[in-house]
Amino acid sequence: DSGVTQTPKHLITATGQRVTLRCSPRSGDLSVYWYQQSLDQGLQFLIQYYNGEERAKGNILERFSAQQFPDLHSELNLSSLELGDSALYFCASSVGQSETYEQYFGPGTRLTVT
Amino acid sequence: DAKTTQPNSMESNEEEPVHLPCNHSTISGTDYIHWYRQLPSQGPEYVIHGLTSNVNNRMASLAIAEDRKSSTLILHRATLRDAAVYYCILHNSGGSNYKLTFGKGTLLTVNP
Repeated sequence: DSGVTQTPKHLITATGQRVTLRCSPRSGDLSVYWYQQSLDQGLQFLIQYYNGEERAKGNILERFSAQQFPDLHSELNLSSLELGDSALYFCASSVGQSETYEQYFGPGTRLTVT
Repeated sequence: DAKTTQPNSMESNEEEPVHLPCNHSTISGTDYIHWYRQLPSQGPEYVIHGLTSNVNNRMASLAIAEDRKSSTLILHRATLRDAAVYYCILHNSGGSNYKLTFGKGTLLTVNP
């Protein structure tokens, strides 16, 4: 158990809909990362937050957004969903914001868009 | 854009050492090299990371070439629980060119 929790575990929804994925980082970690894992694209970094502020963006679509709240939990919002958005979504947390720290990953949320 | 290249798969026998290679020929001077592994149906798990010098921890060793264009993750005695996909990653949060790139990973099979 990494100490990072993600809810829900599974989500099935229809095209065009909007969903929210939730992540609670390990106690004491200030940084949260979001990743997408699909069969064809592998693991892709989406976005990073550090202590409530956006720190870096990766391959995140404009239809996707995220935020980190004062209690440090984070939410990833996916809207106007398409079939291609079906994937595993992981969040990870780390103590600091830089590459010198290891990341601890949650168990993931499996999103299926039908 | 810096990338990492890993063999698609490797096989090892239990209790033998395993050397997992990674090429990153376009690495820049401040890119950190991280290794994570992913067991079936789980999120990735941190293994080790380094910048220039070789690194050891309780899980593994990381050997970084002098020119930093390649690195090798060393599992000293493979166990069945080490069967996983191993990812070599470049991470650099400095400057205007943020980088956090996962390779395609190496599927390690450990034979009893």
